[in-house]
Amino acid sequence: DTEVTQTPKHLVMGMTNKKSLKCEQHMGHRAMYWYKQKAKKPPELMFVYSYEKLSINESVPSRFSPECPNSSLLNLHLHALQPEDSALYLCASSKGRVSTDTQYFGPGTRLTVL
Amino acid sequence: RKEVEQDPGPFNVPEGATVAFNCTYSNSASQSFFWYRQDCRKEPKLLMSVYSSGNEDGRFTAQLNRASQYISLLIRDSKLSDSATYLCVVKMNYGGSQGNLIFGKGTKLSVKP
Repeated sequence: DTEVTQTPKHLVMGMTNKKSLKCEQHMGHRAMYWYKQKAKKPPELMFVYSYEKLSINESVPSRFSPECPNSSLLNLHLHALQPEDSALYLCASSKGRVSTDTQYFGPGTRLTVL
Repeated sequence: RKEVEQDPGPFNVPEGATVAFNCTYSNSASQSFFWYRQDCRKEPKLLMSVYSSGNEDGRFTAQLNRASQYISLLIRDSKLSDSATYLCVVKMNYGGSQGNLIFGKGTKLSVKP
């Protein structure tokens, strides 16, 4: 079962709201990723967790705050977002971080910031 | 120079056509190579990994030329359901970038009846 699930599917929020995106996998993967994808652009890496520890933060603004409560779950906490943060947010996981490990993507959360 | 470059297309082809996508990458330390497919408003899905010896999966054939830093994807007998954006993806295997996927901008394919 190569499934990564994400909730919610769609989210509309105001600039003063606080919300969280959730990602879950039960494949025993130890690396999890957050990507942001704008329309007609490729995914851009935001964060990488390896064995529940944040290993990469690609200079993402502090209004995005990742959390990895355990090896199956990955959250992205959102606060004081801007309209330009509207995008598809994709979660992915892989067995580890070696080059041959395939990353599997969740269906994404489509975020609109008003 | 961009790390992974692809022709953005769109490629508009009739059903049954053969279509080829090309991709070049700039970092010779790149270790793993993939083609992902992304349908409109959906997540990327792995189509196939790419090996130096070349590999085939049904109507799809992928080739890698490490000397030229060039990757290709050939689709034979195109189906309407092949319409999607095809993303060339490279993975590093060194330092802080280990395991990170580097995406090309994607090539859009539209197969017409």
